[in-house]
Amino acid sequence: GQNIDQPTEMTATEGAIVQINCTYQTSGFNGLFWYQQHAGEAPTFLSYNVLDGLEEKGRFSSFLSRSKGYSYLLLKELQMKDSASYLCAVLQGNYQLIWGAGTKLIIKP
Amino acid sequence: IAGITQAPTSQILAAGRRMTLRCTQDMRHNAMYWYRQDLGLGLRLIHYSNTAGTTGKGEVPDGYSVSRANTDDFPLTLASAVPSQTSVYFCASSDSSTELNTGELFFGEGSRLTVL
Repeated sequence: GQNIDQPTEMTATEGAIVQINCTYQTSGFNGLFWYQQHAGEAPTFLSYNVLDGLEEKGRFSSFLSRSKGYSYLLLKELQMKDSASYLCAVLQGNYQLIWGAGTKLIIKP
Repeated sequence: IAGITQAPTSQILAAGRRMTLRCTQDMRHNAMYWYRQDLGLGLRLIHYSNTAGTTGKGEVPDGYSVSRANTDDFPLTLASAVPSQTSVYFCASSDSSTELNTGELFFGEGSRLTVL
């Protein structure tokens, strides 16, 4: 079967660092996406990894290990506006995205 | 402002009624998608279209139909709504017809549908 696992909810403190993990088992792999979704809003693109390693983009970084079926999203210098759900998605084929249920991140002052 | 427009933003519908969710994009993207999002589940693909004139079934197509008469519009129709179709529906587009991995998905703001 196909499965993408993320923690349901995480809590972190403003100014701190948080790592959101995503593990996947899919029949195909053409890359992994991370999206951010604020409550009641549309998802917005954060990152895309297709090769192993770390991709850094400002305060956000995303890591991929294809052999382990594992990715994480690292958020540094957390701000209150980072409170949102973070969605992990694996691309199969050319257009079939398999989505995780999302991780709700709560930032406390 | 360029992007994707969905309508209506919210709708309450009696079971058995027909409903069309509208989606229009002005980015000239070839590919368009309809997803539903339910609490505790990931986004699930209903139907997609690689280019105008073509459509395909996604993960959960039953009870839904789509059309793609032109590049900009991709309406989703529920022929006879049932309560299990209560969900938030997102339309999305991408700038490549065959290689989603070259770019990101752009989402509309969503349509919240309640079927009673």
